[in-house]
Amino acid sequence: NAGVTQTPKFRVLKTGQSMTLLCAQDMNHEYMYWYRQDPGMGLRLIHYSVGEGTTAKGEVPDGYNVSRLKKQNFLLGLESAAPSQTSVYFCASIENVVISGANVLTFGAGSRLTVL
Amino acid sequence: LAKTTQPISMDSYEGQEVNITCSHNNIATNDYITWYQQFPSQGPRFIIQGYKTKVTNEVASLFIPADRKSSTLSLPRVSLSDTAVYYCLVVSGGDYKLSFGAGTTVTVRA
Repeated sequence: NAGVTQTPKFRVLKTGQSMTLLCAQDMNHEYMYWYRQDPGMGLRLIHYSVGEGTTAKGEVPDGYNVSRLKKQNFLLGLESAAPSQTSVYFCASIENVVISGANVLTFGAGSRLTVL
Repeated sequence: LAKTTQPISMDSYEGQEVNITCSHNNIATNDYITWYQQFPSQGPRFIIQGYKTKVTNEVASLFIPADRKSSTLSLPRVSLSDTAVYYCLVVSGGDYKLSFGAGTTVTVRA
């Protein structure tokens, strides 16, 4: 049982290039999230999804797009990378938060992105 | 989602008990309080969750007073390996937008 897997783990981009980060979970979780974490800072929510085919904006969505075509996968895209997007990106999933709050997030190991 | 407030940092020494208090004044009736731990260069991991009174597991204890407007994570006899960032998150049933605060950086010294 792998939990939440993020690929790639590391990537270096030039300004203006595009790329996609993949998050895959094998726990049949309904909800998935993308966060970014800058050095010495906390987690900031980029986008999230409450089910297959749905996405919603978080606190810092600008410059990113997401898709959830399959329940187990949540993709984060950068169409035109900027140095300000240099960060560590974490994906997380949770079973559901509809019935109660008694559920916990499972995080991936992170994807470190550097934009030159 | 109930807004949470925690201290930015705390220093301790090996063998001491560390207590981190999180304030969540607008917590709702069905909300649960969850704490996560994040080591450098790793993703956060769940350590403990509670609704009221006291919860204890092999890693920590969580104390929640009757009014539930705050909670205290207690790490007994810390070691150097407990150096990490600790996040308090209040999760509401039906609230999907799970945003974290800045967390508390705990530094344990020898």
